[in-house]
Amino acid sequence: GAGVSQSPRYKVAKRGQDVALRCDPISGHVSLFWYQQALGQGPEFLTYFQNEAQLDKSGLPSDRFFAERPEGSVSTLKIQRTQQEDSAVYLCASSLSGGVAEAFFGQGTRLTVV
Amino acid sequence: AQRVTQPEKLLSVFKGAPVELKCNYSYSGSPELFWYVQYSRQRLQLLLRHISRESIKGFTADLNKGETSFHLKKPFAQEEDSAMYYCALQTGANNLFFGTGTRLTVIP
Repeated sequence: GAGVSQSPRYKVAKRGQDVALRCDPISGHVSLFWYQQALGQGPEFLTYFQNEAQLDKSGLPSDRFFAERPEGSVSTLKIQRTQQEDSAVYLCASSLSGGVAEAFFGQGTRLTVV
Repeated sequence: AQRVTQPEKLLSVFKGAPVELKCNYSYSGSPELFWYVQYSRQRLQLLLRHISRESIKGFTADLNKGETSFHLKKPFAQEEDSAMYYCALQTGANNLFFGTGTRLTVIP
């Protein structure tokens, strides 16, 4: 593909609904990162995968947030029982084998919880 | 705890004028700092990193450990430089800590 692809681009959820956000990294990229960007803020780290292994999930704000990458390629960020404070742009990034500084970002999914 | 401060949310300069986007950091370890840029309707992308000591699109940034700063500079701003700029600090191998960003507008 042309780059990191995220879907959907926009998602509106009613408070309490569960949502699933998808990230298709660049083919062959080993490392995958999720960031959350609230309005007017910079991106904040959520979690990091190396292949299928979730090596760091220290940034996940609560146990309502869950991320997986079962086959070491596509990743899904799931948010259960969404709250208004979950409204943000969720960014995914992938890198071939290095760290986050070599990563390419997707265009993000804008989640609005109403 | 780490902190990245970008004091200006908005910055406007005239085309051809010098531009400086400020970034100050606080970090107990050895800092690795970056500037990211996001043009309108485009993805966030890396602009430059301090260890490279390179100039990208005419921009440079020098790490000043004494002042804990990593300001982004360009001597002559161009209209295509209008974008959102984020300063970021790498904390650990796989975590970037971003500032809140500065929106630069270059006035023709």
